[in-house]
Amino acid sequence: GQSLEQPSEVTAVEGAIVQINCTYQTSGFYGLSWYQQHDGGAPTFLSYNALDGLEETGRFSSFLSRSDSYGYLLLQELQMKDSASYFCAGGADDKIIFGKGTRLHILP
Amino acid sequence: SQTIHQWPATLVQPVGSPLSLECTVEGTSNPNLYWYRQAAGRGLQLLFYSVGIGQISSEVPQNLSASRPQDRQFILSSKKLLLSDSGFYLCAWSKLLAGAGEQFFGPGTRLTVL
Repeated sequence: GQSLEQPSEVTAVEGAIVQINCTYQTSGFYGLSWYQQHDGGAPTFLSYNALDGLEETGRFSSFLSRSDSYGYLLLQELQMKDSASYFCAGGADDKIIFGKGTRLHILP
Repeated sequence: SQTIHQWPATLVQPVGSPLSLECTVEGTSNPNLYWYRQAAGRGLQLLFYSVGIGQISSEVPQNLSASRPQDRQFILSSKKLLLSDSGFYLCAWSKLLAGAGEQFFGPGTRLTVL
């Protein structure tokens, strides 16, 4: 079957760096996406990796290794507003499959 | 610019009642459209997707159905709601195939079935 695995929770300190990992098993895989969702809100797109390597967008970076079926989201200079759930998602054909999400707790 | 609307924002319905949730997209044509359900504290479950008018693909067999009567309108329905239908329903659209990049989500409908 198709699945994406990520840790259920991660805790980090304000101003620090945190990495959220995602391993996947999807057939016909296109690429790996990352979404952020604050409590009560809708998911918002953060990044997409179609090719192996690192993509950087401001404080957020995302990495993909197709050979390892693995990716991660890196958040730098953590701010309290980064407290949210983060979902990796893998796409194939017309649909996209989401991981169960990682709840990021940030301590002051 | 593109926007996606969903209504209602919240809904409380008794078991056995019908359901109709509507989603519309503005500012783009021929979008791919999706319905997801998210249980409390859980990930997103894809329910239906559509690549064109009248074209619906179902991912999970259940008592829900979807229709796409117009290019930018996507409707989620049920004839008789179950308690297990409670959740956060999200509509999304994408221009490319969903696996190839970004999906844009609507604000969602929070459904409680009592």
